[in-house]
Amino acid sequence: GIQVEQSPPDLILQEGANSTLRCNFSDSVNNLQWFHQNPWGQLINLFYIPSGTKQNGRLSATTVATERYSLLYISSSQTTDSGVYFCAAPPTDSWGKLQFGAGTQVVVTP
Amino acid sequence: NAGVTQTPKFQVLKTGQSMTLQCAQDMNHNSMYWYRQDPGMGLRLIYYSASEGTTDKGEVPNGYNVSRLNKREFSLRLESAAPSQTSVYFCASSSLAGAGGEQFFGPGTRLTVL
Repeated sequence: GIQVEQSPPDLILQEGANSTLRCNFSDSVNNLQWFHQNPWGQLINLFYIPSGTKQNGRLSATTVATERYSLLYISSSQTTDSGVYFCAAPPTDSWGKLQFGAGTQVVVTP
Repeated sequence: NAGVTQTPKFQVLKTGQSMTLQCAQDMNHNSMYWYRQDPGMGLRLIYYSASEGTTDKGEVPNGYNVSRLNKREFSLRLESAAPSQTSVYFCASSSLAGAGGEQFFGPGTRLTVL
């Protein structure tokens, strides 16, 4: 099956700093999603981005499907950005099975 | 518009007990999914239902059964709970079946099996 790898595993940021999270996947995909799991465990949809670039406030994401990676950019980080960021993708031959990466744990300090 | 809802939020069971986790969505989505999340890991698919009337196994189906009650509701049943089933369970739904649909998740059920 598809392998989804995220880096770095952990990230500590000072409030106001920028950062880039990376997601590599081993096979062609029809879609890719980024999620934020907040400290209360809730999974929040950030981006649905099979290819190209999208922006939502201080967050943006780019997926280069031909090179099998996606990047999530956090600009001007805030303490509310703390949590775990997951990327997930289904292989093209798999019905709905989102394969999750192990996540990047982000801690933003005041 | 509540999105995806799950009940209960928390549950403690003894080994061998049974229970059913309930999930409902109000987005008129065709496909629904059950995942589990263990500490320090991403989510793993237990079962899914591509459309009303169909269900299929995911990555970790052993010890679970599911029922797609109607288009809105998809339940997960543990017949004889084991400590290895201690986990957080998430239900999700998507409008498109298969690999193309964006999935939306419920708030989760935190289950402890003693």
